[in-house]
Amino acid sequence: QVQLQESGPGLVKPSGTLSLTCAVSGGSISSSNWWSWVRQPPGKGLEWVGEIYNSESTTYNPSLRSRATISVVKSRNQFSLNLSSVTAADTAVYYCARGRGAGYNYWGQGTLVTVSS
Amino acid sequence: DIQMTQSPSSLSASVGDRVTIACRASQSVSSYLNWYQQKTGKAPKLLIYAASSLQSGVPSRFSGSGSGTDFTLTISSLQPEDFATYYCQQSYSAPLTFGGGTKVGIK
Repeated sequence: QVQLQESGPGLVKPSGTLSLTCAVSGGSISSSNWWSWVRQPPGKGLEWVGEIYNSESTTYNPSLRSRATISVVKSRNQFSLNLSSVTAADTAVYYCARGRGAGYNYWGQGTLVTVSS
Repeated sequence: DIQMTQSPSSLSASVGDRVTIACRASQSVSSYLNWYQQKTGKAPKLLIYAASSLQSGVPSRFSGSGSGTDFTLTISSLQPEDFATYYCQQSYSAPLTFGGGTKVGIK
């Protein structure tokens, strides 16, 4: 059974960089799967952040204006999200997930990141 | 970007009711339409993928239909554990987009 677990700082200063990691267990990060990040501002709906396929092909939400970077660390069986120049609007619960065309069938439990000084 | 519009945004229903939630895409997404259930403080759970395929382990009272731009999620007989927020999502093209959600509450 595949399990995903997010980790990272819960508080980031404005203009700083948000860095999160998603550890994958029960399956290989190197398998032909899409690995994604989805976020949810408090009390609001879901927003797709971006995805990585086959450890190297990435696609991002244009709304993030090139601030996001998703990468894979094969040796640790994990993937990461870096989001630069954060503002209060980036405050959200961040989820990692696996899947694509047939939906996200595996999700992490989510981690709240607050952008505040 | 493909815009996803759900209706209604909220509804109140009783246990045993038949509930229908609509989702409309701003352009055709073929059958690349997925439905999720989210309970407070939890990650979304995949219910339906490819518009009408029931995810493994999901009760058969959930069903999905539609193709192109118009889709429907139906709960045939609402159960206490079904009170939650439901989201549609298109996986036809990036950026993948979600509907605004439908909150199903207790009448």
